Amino acid sequence: DQQVKQNSPSLSVQEGRISILNCDYTNSMFDYFLWYKKYPAEGPTFLISISSIKDKNEDGRFTVFLNKSAKHLSLHIVPSQPGDSAVYFCAATKSTGGSEKLVFGKGTKLTVNP
Amino acid sequence: KAGVTQTPRYLIKTRGQQVTLSCSPISGHRSVSWYQQTPGQGLQFLFEYFSETQRNKGNFPGRFSGRQFSNSRSEMNVSTLELGDSALYLCASRRDRGLTEAFFGQGTRLTVV
Repeated sequence: DQQVKQNSPSLSVQEGRISILNCDYTNSMFDYFLWYKKYPAEGPTFLISISSIKDKNEDGRFTVFLNKSAKHLSLHIVPSQPGDSAVYFCAATKSTGGSEKLVFGKGTKLTVNP
Repeated sequence: KAGVTQTPRYLIKTRGQQVTLSCSPISGHRSVSWYQQTPGQGLQFLFEYFSETQRNKGNFPGRFSGRQFSNSRSEMNVSTLELGDSALYLCASRRDRGLTEAFFGQGTRLTVV
């Protein structure tokens, strides 16, 4: 049972345009969400996070939107750059209990074309 | 400051053998988590250690085990290796148990033949 789903395995956009990566979750207990970027042969790198008490968090070119009623979040990258080409993972966790078990989606491969 | 260091980077083992992977977290970080990444299943949580205690465990068989030392370094062990254990094993460190971002190492690529 996949609790975090990224339904688009790949996405291709033109440099300078907006990239929108989507993520859906099924577990209503999740209250903290993160996005990671991964290049080949490297570990995931943290990008941005959002708590369930917010519906938007922004950091430079990256914005994450959370729609709790739809159990959906999205990552917007504006403007997209060729260096953003990587696999993006959505992750979710429950903040209670202190332990940090991240549940990841299977990733979306973003290609930004020059 | 130095990042998360995982050793070795690559490993080839034979079915039935056992393997030990090592992770040195960022200095000052006391939480270490392990994840398995495979093409079919994505990133899956194995276990988390904090101050030498296992805080949480994923849905993996008992052949997968780990431990954490007093200096926060962690090891994971897989016994009786199976072909399906071939994967990228990632270690992530975090300063404490709170909701702080996790920093990942580059991983150990394990191939079981």
